[in-house]
Amino acid sequence: EAGVAQSPRYKIIEKRQSVAFWCNPISGHATLYWYQQILGQGPKLLIQFQNNGVVDDSQLPKDRFSAERLKGVDSTLKIQPAKLEDSAVYLCASSLLPQAGGSYGYTFGSGTRLTVV
Amino acid sequence: ELKVEQNPLFLSMQEGKNYTIYCNYSTTSDRLYWYRQDPGKSLESLFVLLSNGAVKQEGRLMASLDTKARLSTLHITAAVHDLSATYFCAVLNDYKLSFGAGTTVTVRA
Repeated sequence: EAGVAQSPRYKIIEKRQSVAFWCNPISGHATLYWYQQILGQGPKLLIQFQNNGVVDDSQLPKDRFSAERLKGVDSTLKIQPAKLEDSAVYLCASSLLPQAGGSYGYTFGSGTRLTVV
Repeated sequence: ELKVEQNPLFLSMQEGKNYTIYCNYSTTSDRLYWYRQDPGKSLESLFVLLSNGAVKQEGRLMASLDTKARLSTLHITAAVHDLSATYFCAVLNDYKLSFGAGTTVTVRA
């Protein structure tokens, strides 16, 4: 099966600019996650969607970050305006159901590496 | 808030020797995952552990889970260079996956 697709792979922007990331999950996966991974740390959940509804966005900095999942398939994550501390890898993951990650867990995309200068 | 702690954070292994990575978590969990991440790459799923006493093995890696102690271990047998990577444990609770900080493993000759 095709994996989780993310784009772009890399992005360099200046602080205070805006940026958007795109994710296409595995076909049929109802649950989609966005994680932020700062260099040297484990991934941190930003937002979780179940179909096109938000399940958890408690760790999303809502003053600058927004995310949507149109029609319960693709998702975009936006940062506006970006800060230096937003430099990280943004990982998208999907699963069939939130509590049923399959025999081998959730499937992660390759990520988007954001550098804010 | 669920806390997941891994130790050690850095592990220098000698080829051919055995080592263990520990993962402690703070609250009841539905399941526990181990992932591998190579530099600049995404996360590769290694194991999912579903119940107390669960043990999974793949090649030189073996993972186990003790839900009463809230502890999982990843045991590496006879380390080889190909195992150099960062290993994460992740705990599922209330439909959310929380990660440890990772253990960066370097295998030397």
